[in-house]
Amino acid sequence: KAGVTQTPRYLIKTRGQQVTLSCSPISGHRSVSWYQQTPGQGLQFLFEYFSETQRNKGNFPGRFSGRQFSNSRSEMNVSTLELGDSALYLCASSYLTGGTSYEQYFGPGTRLTVT
Amino acid sequence: SQKIEQNSEALNIQEGKTATLTCNYTNYSPAYLQWYRQDPGRGPVFLLLIRENEKEKRKERLKVTFDTTLKQSLFHITASQPADSATYLCAFPSYGGSQGNLIFGKGTKLSVKP
Repeated sequence: KAGVTQTPRYLIKTRGQQVTLSCSPISGHRSVSWYQQTPGQGLQFLFEYFSETQRNKGNFPGRFSGRQFSNSRSEMNVSTLELGDSALYLCASSYLTGGTSYEQYFGPGTRLTVT
Repeated sequence: SQKIEQNSEALNIQEGKTATLTCNYTNYSPAYLQWYRQDPGRGPVFLLLIRENEKEKRKERLKVTFDTTLKQSLFHITASQPADSATYLCAFPSYGGSQGNLIFGKGTKLSVKP
């Protein structure tokens, strides 16, 4: 079974630009979450989607947005990039009902650098 | 707001010894707590889950405890090996949130020396 894939793996953008990151969950997983990871703040929750609906949203400005498609693939968008947006963006998928472990399956992440 | 702390940023131990990592939290006790392993340049990988009514959980050389009175979870790796070197993260669902809405500690970087 293929794991969670994220594209692109690396990205360099300039302040003020916008960026779109993509995530393909494990086949059969309908829940997709996004996290931002920085050395200072660690892993912070951005949002979670299930069946094309946003279920939860973290404490991030409105410049951060996302969506989920009918095939469960998800994208997140960051507009008007700031230097502080430089981070590793991780996508995770899971079975909604969680089975017995509620484990999240993470992708390798997209390393975004804003200059 | 809920806070989760992993007391040590880094832990260095000798091969064969037991590594013990600590995760403390404030405010409410979560229904369950998870531990993940993260290697450089990779996403976290799930290791173990322990529920609030469980005192201890084991998986091979791994053991997790959960003390809701102390608001603490301990993660043990027995007979540690250099291949166990990684960053270990504890996490649990945000209050009122779903399983995909996790709060993570900042992690403890474990180094096992041969």
